[in-house]
Amino acid sequence: GQQLNQSPQSMFIQEGEDVSMNCTSSSIFNTWLWYKQDPGEGPVLLIALYKAGELTSNGRLTAQFGITRKDSFLNISASIPSDVGIYFCAGHRPEYGNKLVFGAGTILRVKS
Amino acid sequence: SAVISQKPSRDICQRGTSLTIQCQVDSQVTMMFWYRQQPGQSLTLIATANQGSEATYESGFVIDKFPISRPNLTFSTLTVSNMSPEDSSIYLCSVGGAGDQPQHFGDGTRLSIL
Repeated sequence: GQQLNQSPQSMFIQEGEDVSMNCTSSSIFNTWLWYKQDPGEGPVLLIALYKAGELTSNGRLTAQFGITRKDSFLNISASIPSDVGIYFCAGHRPEYGNKLVFGAGTILRVKS
Repeated sequence: SAVISQKPSRDICQRGTSLTIQCQVDSQVTMMFWYRQQPGQSLTLIATANQGSEATYESGFVIDKFPISRPNLTFSTLTVSNMSPEDSSIYLCSVGGAGDQPQHFGDGTRLSIL
């Protein structure tokens, strides 16, 4: 199907540690997006990537658009308790226009 | 980014009834989308709400079950019809997605059907 392969499914890390998660697909994407969803809220956009090889930072977050256009990763440096939540990757495939395809999500739990 | 307001934020409904969810945006937008997020799951696109024409539904979703209105460029509604417990989900609207404008989401409507 259209689903992106997102890993890991969940993580439980110490406060201050760095975190890495990624999404892969067998298909080419022309946009990669990373969202965070807190309980009771909708997904909030963290980083948007539009070009293969693009590396973009937003504070402690860094994301890259894979050079093959089939993958992306998100890194969080020096995690803090408020980083807890569900992180989703999403992307646009050229043949599906403006429709977004979502990964299954990564649940992040931070131990203080 | 656009401010997106959804109403209601949550509801508990009886089996067999219908509920209409509203999505209001603070600016005119071309693209509006409706998603379903089942418990513990990711987001699945239900349909694209097109202003001035019928909504475009994804595979597995039909107009009779999820009728959508888009009367203008700032507003849309999604109705969940003849509800059953399997319809218990978060329903989210989003805007954007054209060109280099990423999609932004409302806070969702948490629906429980008894």
